[in-house]
Amino acid sequence: QLQLQESGPGLVKPSETLSLTCTVSGGSISSSDYSWGWIRQPPGKGLEWIGTIYYSGSTYYNPSLKSRVTISVDTSKNQFSLKLYSVTAADTAVYYCARHETSGPGVDNRDYFDYWGQGTLVTVSS
Amino acid sequence: SYELTQPPSVSVSPGQTASITCSGDNLGNKYACWYKQKPGQSPEVLIYQDNKRPSGIPGRFSGSNSGNTATLTISGTQAMDEADYYCQAWDFNTAVFGTGTKVTVL
Repeated sequence: QLQLQESGPGLVKPSETLSLTCTVSGGSISSSDYSWGWIRQPPGKGLEWIGTIYYSGSTYYNPSLKSRVTISVDTSKNQFSLKLYSVTAADTAVYYCARHETSGPGVDNRDYFDYWGQGTLVTVSS
Repeated sequence: SYELTQPPSVSVSPGQTASITCSGDNLGNKYACWYKQKPGQSPEVLIYQDNKRPSGIPGRFSGSNSGNTATLTISGTQAMDEADYYCQAWDFNTAVFGTGTKVTVL
């Protein structure tokens, strides 16, 4: 059974960098059939896609966050990571990592998120 | 940027049918999927590629997509279906989620 687990600091200071890692177990992150994404959800609000990475390293970002986001993959560790720079209180959210089946490579309009991590709350506060 | 709009809330009696709409410009030309999220839990995919159900999802969940509107239908709604529901589509390599609908089973 595929499992995804987010890890990283739960508290980040304003203007600093939020860094999270998603560890994938029960399957290979290097499969050409899947891409790997980050989605966030501010408390009491809806879901927002942050970005996606394919095992080859191709990345796709939400245009609204693109200038502050980097997603990377480490196939040797079966992990992918998120960095969000210059955070503010508006970046406080539960951050999810998720897999999506892709007809890609990369992303395709038929894709959907089929496995999700449990989510981790990151609070931006001094 | 592309937007998907859902009604904030839908109420339904047990055993009745609930319909949740998701509106977006020419959404029918894209593929829509639907997620269910209970409080404190991760989202779970219910419908993908407009009307396909992953294994393990009950048959009372169905989807359609035409014109500017995708619809999730829950037939024979049960108390366990009370949750938040989100639609999602892709627009130029960008994943867009709907605004979300809270379904209350009265």
